[in-house]
Amino acid sequence: DIQMTQSPSSLSASVGDRVTITCRASQSISRYLSWYQQKPGKAPKLLIYAASSLHSGVPSRFSGSGSGTDFSLTISSLQPEDFATYYCQQGDSPLWTFGQGTKVEIK
Amino acid sequence: QVTVKESGPALVKSTQTLTLTCTFSGFSLSTTGMRVSWIRQPPGKALEWLARIDWDDDKFYSTSLQTRLTISKDTSKNQVVLTMTNMDPVDTATYYCARTPGVKTYFDYWGQGTLVTVSS
Repeated sequence: DIQMTQSPSSLSASVGDRVTITCRASQSISRYLSWYQQKPGKAPKLLIYAASSLHSGVPSRFSGSGSGTDFSLTISSLQPEDFATYYCQQGDSPLWTFGQGTKVEIK
Repeated sequence: QVTVKESGPALVKSTQTLTLTCTFSGFSLSTTGMRVSWIRQPPGKALEWLARIDWDDDKFYSTSLQTRLTISKDTSKNQVVLTMTNMDPVDTATYYCARTPGVKTYFDYWGQGTLVTVSS
């Protein structure tokens, strides 16, 4: 199975900060990479698909990049509602997998 | 308007079989490209993809759990059913159902999740 490794596992940041989370695949997954945001007690929400395409209704401060094995999610100016856990997910192989998550906390 | 909802027992005992039902509306699993997956999340832990069924009845399972999982669909009822045998306390988790549209590889609609606790 393709393993997805996110870094860091957690980070502390302030409102207005630029935040970048990375996700590495154990083998090339082309651009079959999606990002989700999850808040406590809630289902995940799709942010980015196909590595860099913004899902409908997602604020433009979220962006994604990368291809092959290395990907990143960037929040250009962190807002109070962005404090959450973020997951990457690969869809290249028939068996899909998630990263272990990155928790973004208030500094 | 797409909706997805999971249902099933909140509590099961060790060694029992868990049966979860995903009931959806606003789309059909007979539409070419449509896919539905089950994903779980133990308390305080990461998401884990479990299984997927496609519009053409192709089925895919997590390698680590494939011997215990069975996924099926009832297109007429707009339902997807997941069974997991030989439940263990480590299987305690919130179980989510999620849709993947048009031969894509991401989840655009999720259910609210259902918490399943396994007692020893």
